[in-house]
Amino acid sequence: AQSVAQPEDQVNVAEGNPLTVKCTYSVSGNPYLFWYVQYPNRGLQFLLKYITGDNLVKGSYGFEAEFNKSQTSFHLKKPSALVSDSALYFCAVRDIEYGGATNKLIFGTGTLLAVQP
Amino acid sequence: NAGVMQNPRHLVRRRGQEARLRCSPMKGHSHVYWYRQLPEEGLKFMVYLQKENIIDESGMPKERFSAEFPKEGPSILRIQQVVRGDSAAYFCASSPQKVDGYGYTFGSGTRLTVV
Repeated sequence: AQSVAQPEDQVNVAEGNPLTVKCTYSVSGNPYLFWYVQYPNRGLQFLLKYITGDNLVKGSYGFEAEFNKSQTSFHLKKPSALVSDSALYFCAVRDIEYGGATNKLIFGTGTLLAVQP
Repeated sequence: NAGVMQNPRHLVRRRGQEARLRCSPMKGHSHVYWYRQLPEEGLKFMVYLQKENIIDESGMPKERFSAEFPKEGPSILRIQQVVRGDSAAYFCASSPQKVDGYGYTFGSGTRLTVV
């Protein structure tokens, strides 16, 4: 079965510093990868995706993610963190059944990003 | 474009009662997904539906839980005889026929509390 792992429950970073939120994946075939953000008492919001093409994907709010096939990773990054970036971040992968991609997304357990002023 | 609408936002039920959670997908979206979020467990897939059709219910508990997406009206997640362990945030998402673009659009969730 396809899966994603987010090894850190929480990431702490000072405002203005670069941030990285880690995600590794396990899929058979080519992965379709996504990052979502959840603010308190809200639903998840799409940040960015990797389907194919350039390994560095740019998304909303200045975030980007780097797809690394050899390390099976899709880490989320931002050059300069803001206090308003503090939220819960989820990595997700599109499920694959019978050799084909389905519409079902499998989410990681989430990483809480805390940006200190 | 109203996005994905879930109601109610908060629902309190006593043990043994039924809970009904509603989800209206985004306009133009024909696929609906239900997820449950528990503290420290992340987002767990429950069920994937199209109009009048359950595509994948592999994440649904075998008993007490059911879901539907009728031809007319919202998708309904029904939990019968609720127990304390059902307390969680339930999120609905929708997508077009193919989810390649932006993945899902999520609703704001229903927070179920069983007392």
